[in-house]
Amino acid sequence: DTAVSQTPKYLVTQMGNDKSIKCEQNLGHDTMYWYKQDSKKFLKIMFSYNNKELIINETVPNRFSPKSPDKAHLNLHINSLELGDSAVYFCASSQEPSGPGPDTQYFGPGTRLTVL
Amino acid sequence: DQQVKQNSPSLSVQEGRISILNCDYTNSMFDYFLWYKKYPAEGPTFLISISSIKDKNEDGRFTVFLNKSAKHLSLHIVPSQPGDSAVYFCAATGNQFYFGTGTSLTVIP
Repeated sequence: DTAVSQTPKYLVTQMGNDKSIKCEQNLGHDTMYWYKQDSKKFLKIMFSYNNKELIINETVPNRFSPKSPDKAHLNLHINSLELGDSAVYFCASSQEPSGPGPDTQYFGPGTRLTVL
Repeated sequence: DQQVKQNSPSLSVQEGRISILNCDYTNSMFDYFLWYKKYPAEGPTFLISISSIKDKNEDGRFTVFLNKSAKHLSLHIVPSQPGDSAVYFCAATGNQFYFGTGTSLTVIP
């Protein structure tokens, strides 16, 4: 039973195209995230959503937009793709912390995006 | 601006020996630290964490040490096993998560 799933796993596309990556979690978590892992393996948070409300929005280009149709899904839409968008994108989810410290995040398998 | 750093991109250790993975951070406001393990083609999975009010947390073969004055934490794995071969990410959090770039551990049988 996959806890956090992403589709597709691999995505190859041309510059200028618009694409989406889907994420679903079956853990009943309240918060979902998108991360970008660049060529230097640096994992940087892009967005998080809590109960359909955007609560973190890093300084990412507005070509990137998260869409959450319901609590179990957080999709990432990317418009006018650029070469620099090539990276692995990870979705994650977490529950609201019940005690001291944040709860852990469960990551999806990642989507490798290649922009040609 | 990288607030969490893992300066060793790779580490090789003999099976049965201790693996020590290091992580440095710059923000003294971080109050929680985590280690994630990542196999190829999979997402990172949570391994162990430590609150800033502690200096050590142990879970089986894994122990995390926190030195707040040095803004340094380390993950000890003992004894190391071939199945431990993976990339290990250090993360720190205050209001947001900040991840290091990872250290690739290879445990040699």
